[in-house]
Amino acid sequence: EPEVTQTPSHQVTQMGQEVILRCVPISNHLYFYWYRQILGQKVEFLVSFYNNEISEKSEIFDDQFSVERPDGSNFTLKIRSTKLEDSAMYFCASSIPQGGRGYTFGSGTRLTVV
Amino acid sequence: KNEVEQSPQNLTAQEGEFITINCSYSVGISALHWLQQHPGGGIVSLFMLSSGKKKHGRLIATINIQEKHSSLHITASHPRDSAVYICAAGGNNDMRFGAGTRLTVKP
Repeated sequence: EPEVTQTPSHQVTQMGQEVILRCVPISNHLYFYWYRQILGQKVEFLVSFYNNEISEKSEIFDDQFSVERPDGSNFTLKIRSTKLEDSAMYFCASSIPQGGRGYTFGSGTRLTVV
Repeated sequence: KNEVEQSPQNLTAQEGEFITINCSYSVGISALHWLQQHPGGGIVSLFMLSSGKKKHGRLIATINIQEKHSSLHITASHPRDSAVYICAAGGNNDMRFGAGTRLTVKP
């Protein structure tokens, strides 16, 4: 069964450093998403991406965050200057707009900012 | 008020029992999703519903659009069903997530 692949599975970074989280969505999917889940809290929407541009973003997705689809297969989330409160599990997902079982999630990247 | 409310927060059942998890939402939706989050953190999409009922194996999901309510049922529950079940409501561009229901099925 097709999968959404995320790398790395766990990343530790120093506060103030830039991090890039990588995702390879399912190849025939058209919508791409990033979500985060702070430990013990619910999943939160960050951003959606369609047709090579952001289609919607939440209030969490401020100027410190950016997304890119650099080569037609990867979908990246960059955090420019990490803060302690950015520590969370980050999930990538992809979907086709209609039908099927909906979204396919990646297994997540656990980001720890120290 | 949360946009997506789930109940119960925690549920413990004996193997074989019929399980129901409820979800109420206040946002406008084009679809409602049921997700399963395993103890290791990974998320699996179980269902995407916009009306009626869907069934996949021992899992059944229903939605009542007028009442803004959905239920996830598990028949003949098994310890491997132990996980957090999350309801999420939204459209193609975003989802709003419930806090999840932690299900423990004891042998």
